[in-house]
Amino acid sequence: QVQLVESGGGVVQPGMSLRLSCVVSGLAFNGYGMHWVRQAPGKGLEWVAVISYGGDSKYYADSVKGRFTISRDNSKNTLYLQMNSLRVEDTAVYYCAKDDDLIAFDIWGQGTMVTVSS
Amino acid sequence: QSALTQPASVSGSPGESITISCTGTSSDVGNYDLVSWYQQSPGQAPKLIIYEGTKRPSGVSNRFSGSKSGNTASLTISGLQAEDEADYYCCSYAGRTTWVFGGGTKVTVL
Repeated sequence: QVQLVESGGGVVQPGMSLRLSCVVSGLAFNGYGMHWVRQAPGKGLEWVAVISYGGDSKYYADSVKGRFTISRDNSKNTLYLQMNSLRVEDTAVYYCAKDDDLIAFDIWGQGTMVTVSS
Repeated sequence: QSALTQPASVSGSPGESITISCTGTSSDVGNYDLVSWYQQSPGQAPKLIIYEGTKRPSGVSNRFSGSKSGNTASLTISGLQAEDEADYYCCSYAGRTTWVFGGGTKVTVL
């Protein structure tokens, strides 16, 4: 049974940093690209970032480019999202999702809540 | 990276068919056969129900079907059931290894 479990969310002030983690089990983690997708309270989904299976290719939404960094540790089956210079508008539930050959996000975690507030 | 356009809400009675539209541009929906649809029940993570515009993952009911014409993709739910009440999101590959979602559609079963 495939599981994606996010952690690391919390309440932070604007300008601060936070690192999210997503531990993956039940599949060959190093064989798949991975995404972060977020959802602001009461709003729709927004794609945030993707990383290739080996970690050498990374792409970001314009809204987070230069502030967020996606990474992975295949020895630990873990995906990360380092979020710096956080803004109020970054407040959202952050989901990690498995990439299906760039076709779709076929497996999702349950999400972790990030609140940026002064 | 402008969001795809979906109706805010769609409703129907049990047994009826409803269709949710998803309008993009020639840079995303119109340029790639890579539209996917997700169902999200309250408090739950999204679930993939359609990929590559028309294909269903294993285990997804055949009451869900997808199509595309030009810059607009559509999701049809036939034989509407109470359990179909949820939010539905479309998503398209937008080139340069980026993706764009629609704003979401709330489906209500009357």
